[in-house]
Amino acid sequence: GQQVMQIPQYQHVQEGEDFTTYCNSSTTLSNIQWYKQRPGGHPVFLIQLVKSGEVKKQKRLTFQFGEAKKNSSLHITATQTTDVGTYFCAGDNNDMRFGAGTRLTVKP
Amino acid sequence: DAGVIQSPRHEVTEMGQEVTLRCKPISGHDYLFWYRQTMMRGLELLIYFNNNVPIDDSGMPEDRFSAKMPNASFSTLKIQPSEPRDSAVYFCASSLVSGGNSPLHFGNGTRLTVT
Repeated sequence: GQQVMQIPQYQHVQEGEDFTTYCNSSTTLSNIQWYKQRPGGHPVFLIQLVKSGEVKKQKRLTFQFGEAKKNSSLHITATQTTDVGTYFCAGDNNDMRFGAGTRLTVKP
Repeated sequence: DAGVIQSPRHEVTEMGQEVTLRCKPISGHDYLFWYRQTMMRGLELLIYFNNNVPIDDSGMPEDRFSAKMPNASFSTLKIQPSEPRDSAVYFCASSLVSGGNSPLHFGNGTRLTVT
């Protein structure tokens, strides 16, 4: 199946700082999904991107899909302690393989 | 909507024992996925089904693992015999249509510990 690589693996920020995680694919994607997993929880769907260059926002979260549809990013503005968790991207093939995730910790 | 239901939530067993994990997908969802999550390997896709038919089991670690979906509302993942390295959280997820076109809905997972 296609591979999606995520960086960074870990990110520790002070509350109020911004955070970005990146997802890169070895092949062109038709769409990409983002999920958040709280500590001890299960992955929860955040958003799906489909179009080249697409940008979507959810409050303080901004999601982008690259022009070549091979990369994507999730940016959080002014992090809060409620943002703590691991953020995953998942490729578009039927088999839905996930990136390794970026674990975000936020210091109050 | 009760969501995806997995049982048991926790399973502790001894090496060599058979383990069966269960999943009830969301009604009407055509796709069902089994994932394994560990610190070292992240979230690994083990197998997925479409309309109860296994489509890709290339992620199943070895012959000790088997999965079935006898009907649209039930699936099992069996490990026989279990080994300590199988210790992980196992998630079941379902989606309405092909995984890339609709969200995956995950169950709460089964935390398996093999001693």
